[in-house]
Amino acid sequence: GAVVSQHPSRVICKSGTSVKIECRSLDFQATTMFWYRQFPKKSLMLMATSNEGSKATYEQGVEKDKFLINHASLTLSTLTVTSAHPEDSSFYICSARRGTYEQYFGPGTRLTVT
Amino acid sequence: SQQGEEDPQALSIQEGENATMNCSYKTSINNLQWYRQNSGRGLVHLILIRSNEREKHSGRLRVTLDTSKKSSSLLITASRAADTASYFCATEGANDYKLSFGAGTTVTVRA
Repeated sequence: GAVVSQHPSRVICKSGTSVKIECRSLDFQATTMFWYRQFPKKSLMLMATSNEGSKATYEQGVEKDKFLINHASLTLSTLTVTSAHPEDSSFYICSARRGTYEQYFGPGTRLTVT
Repeated sequence: SQQGEEDPQALSIQEGENATMNCSYKTSINNLQWYRQNSGRGLVHLILIRSNEREKHSGRLRVTLDTSKKSSSLLITASRAADTASYFCATEGANDYKLSFGAGTTVTVRA
């Protein structure tokens, strides 16, 4: 099956700093990637759709200036949480779309802002 | 946005028993997918059922889809301790490729 990686798997940062999370499709090219956020014991909430070579499309209520998304190549999308605050602490998961129906999910990144 | 509702929220069964969970959704869909998530880990794709399909099997998994009722069920037969996880349904909208996830069902299989 297709493999999607995320880096880092865990990160702890101080309030006010920025954190970059990478999502890579390792064995296929993905023109579209998605970023989700998951709170403890809750479902995944779609944050944004990342399209290679163009601007990301953000879901309602997601601050685009706070969650910067860059999809510079067909195998890499990055999510940067700018000026992180404790309420940004969460589990961030990306997925990459291959073909018409298939989305493959990364293992997630646990962000803790102190 | 989240459109799936799952039922029950939690399920505890004995090894060897079957586990059934349900998912309801609100809008037209291209397909409905079921995923499994072990605690603190990423999602594993289990099965996809298209809007024109009514039932699908994969190993010990059986999924049904009733588009008239906008609902789906996932049945895990002969459960094992390793099936302990959270299970999410996700619908792909008819007009885009975005997935909307249900709230999830936490399944605990007791040995």
